[in-house]
Amino acid sequence: EAGVTQSPTHLIKTRGQQATLRCSPISGHTSVYWYQQALGLGLQFLLWYDEGEERNRGNFPPRFSGRQFPNYSSELNVNALELEDSALYLCASPGVGLADTQYFGPGTRLTVL
Amino acid sequence: AQKVTQAQTEISVVEKEDVTLDCVYETRDTTYYLFWYKQPPSGELVFLIRRNSFDEQNEISGRYSWNFQKSTSSFNFTITASQVVDSAVYFCALSAAWDTDKLIFGTGTRLQVFP
Repeated sequence: EAGVTQSPTHLIKTRGQQATLRCSPISGHTSVYWYQQALGLGLQFLLWYDEGEERNRGNFPPRFSGRQFPNYSSELNVNALELEDSALYLCASPGVGLADTQYFGPGTRLTVL
Repeated sequence: AQKVTQAQTEISVVEKEDVTLDCVYETRDTTYYLFWYKQPPSGELVFLIRRNSFDEQNEISGRYSWNFQKSTSSFNFTITASQVVDSAVYFCALSAAWDTDKLIFGTGTRLQVFP
């Protein structure tokens, strides 16, 4: 089965702009998890979407938002970009392996200039 | 509160050496899961293993082995006869059984294996 896919691979924006990142979970799974991996801050849980609803949220400001579509793909939107938003954004999905295990996509590297 | 500590920021070894990556966790939950992920230079997190809190059996998978000790809240990862391809950042993570959708990650250990 296809793994988690993310696009784009790289994204360059300037401060104040908006960024949109996309993710598709492993086929047949309804949950999508978003994580931010910023330099010096490690991997931090951002958002969890399931069945089209936001189910859980990490400690991030409201300008980080997203949505999940009927086909379970998801968008992460970051508004009013700040320099410190530069990071690798990773998306994860459950898979056919162990239950309660998250399998990650290749990530989108966002650079804010 | 849940927390994962990987005290080793970076480890360098020469090929064929054995290396152990330490992971210490804190949780008040009695049922939880522990994970190890590998992040090669490409950036993608690769799942290696999951352990639940009721299963303290050590596990071996090829050159990889894991030692889970509840008494010391540790879940250490050993690579035997390391290879250059093992060079990556390794993350230990924790989730509560009631909240498996939020992984709490350690800060990672960068392993460099030199030929």
